[in-house]
Amino acid sequence: ETGVTQSPTHLIKTRGQQVTLRCSSQSGHNTVSWYQQALGQGPQFIFQYYREEENGRGNFPPRFSGLQFPNYSSELNVNALELDDSALYLCASSPGGGLAGVGEQFFGPGTRLTVL
Amino acid sequence: AQRVTQPEKLLSVFKGAPVELKCNYSYSGSPELFWYVQYSRQRLQLLLRHISRESIKGFTADLNKGETSFHLKKPFAQEEDSAMYYCALLARPTGNQFYFGTGTSLTVIP
Repeated sequence: ETGVTQSPTHLIKTRGQQVTLRCSSQSGHNTVSWYQQALGQGPQFIFQYYREEENGRGNFPPRFSGLQFPNYSSELNVNALELDDSALYLCASSPGGGLAGVGEQFFGPGTRLTVL
Repeated sequence: AQRVTQPEKLLSVFKGAPVELKCNYSYSGSPELFWYVQYSRQRLQLLLRHISRESIKGFTADLNKGETSFHLKKPFAQEEDSAMYYCALLARPTGNQFYFGTGTSLTVIP
């Protein structure tokens, strides 16, 4: 059983550019959530995908968008990057289904994005 | 609005002493609460959830709806408990939304 993986590990972009981050969910998991974690803060929920459909969204602007693929891997896309987008981006997968499944999230190591 | 508050950013206790990490939440619906832990150089991982009513690594947490709290407790702290602890709320107004607190860094002094 493989855990959640994310790529790339680090990324440097300039303001105004676009970025795509990738996440492979843990085997058997059909739900993926994305988080932004700024330094010294807790993870901030961006959105969740369940079986390729968005299933919940946090307070992030539309330039944050995502996809989930049939194999349940996922992408986070951020357009028109701003300096404040610099953060650690975490992906978490869960078995989904009922309440117990959704709450049991398995986190990836994160992608560190720096916007200059 | 939904919110999770962890009032202590840093907490130090001696080995063998009781430890309590505080968590308060704000949510008008039926709360679903979790504690996540991140050990040094490891990933964030689920420690326990209130619906399971279980004790993990000696930690317990009781949901108190009257006080809107979900404090994490352990009667005798161990050095390996040193970590960052996050309290999290799952809200379901439309779909699923998770809210994490800012975390408490626990240091257990030998």
